[in-house]
Amino acid sequence: GAGVSQSPSNKVTEKGKDVELRCDPISGHTALYWYRQSLGQGLEFLIYFQGNSAPDKSGLPSDRFSAERTGGSVSTLTIQRTQQEDSAVYLCASSFLGTANYGYTFGSGTRLTVV
Amino acid sequence: AQSVTQLDSQVPVFEEAPVELRCNYSSSVSVYLFWYVQYPNQGLQLLLKYLSGSTLVKGINGFEAEFNKSQTSFHLRKPSVHISDTAEYFCAVSARTRGSTLGRLYFGRGTQLTVWP
Repeated sequence: GAGVSQSPSNKVTEKGKDVELRCDPISGHTALYWYRQSLGQGLEFLIYFQGNSAPDKSGLPSDRFSAERTGGSVSTLTIQRTQQEDSAVYLCASSFLGTANYGYTFGSGTRLTVV
Repeated sequence: AQSVTQLDSQVPVFEEAPVELRCNYSSSVSVYLFWYVQYPNQGLQLLLKYLSGSTLVKGINGFEAEFNKSQTSFHLRKPSVHISDTAEYFCAVSARTRGSTLGRLYFGRGTQLTVWP
């Protein structure tokens, strides 16, 4: 596609439920990143994919968080047993070859609210 | 690892006034530097980037930034702001070195620029 597409754009879920967030990167972009943006906290790195593998998943905050990428394209971020502190905007970005000098393209994000 | 400090969380300014948003980074390696802008309810958009060469970088919407290696700074400037520049601005850094984290961006906490009429 022309840009990075994220779905859903908004998600309200009850505490304890599982959620799945989807990211569809720009066609041909081999690198994909997930960030979390909380109010007043800036952007927090979660995980980086190169192709289907994740060489850096050091930012995942707990074992309730997992992500996968299939076919070198779509990625899904799953949060199990959601907690209120998981409420944030989850941003996905893709990059050609995974080098920052080519720049990231960000999606519009998924706003997750845990009630 | 790199770290990025944006010294001002909020910058209010009147329309047509100049503005400077400050950014300092901490890194033991050579870096690439970026400024991103985020308008309400939108994703981040690249404003400008420094990769190499001239230390003065010009970006979109009349913004420019200057890389100062000795001061490890990359401050963003605009000589005359418009109300439409109201947004959150993020400074980011990425290491030049190879490795599994190549391409990972480290972001500052953001500066909210508010332009008043």
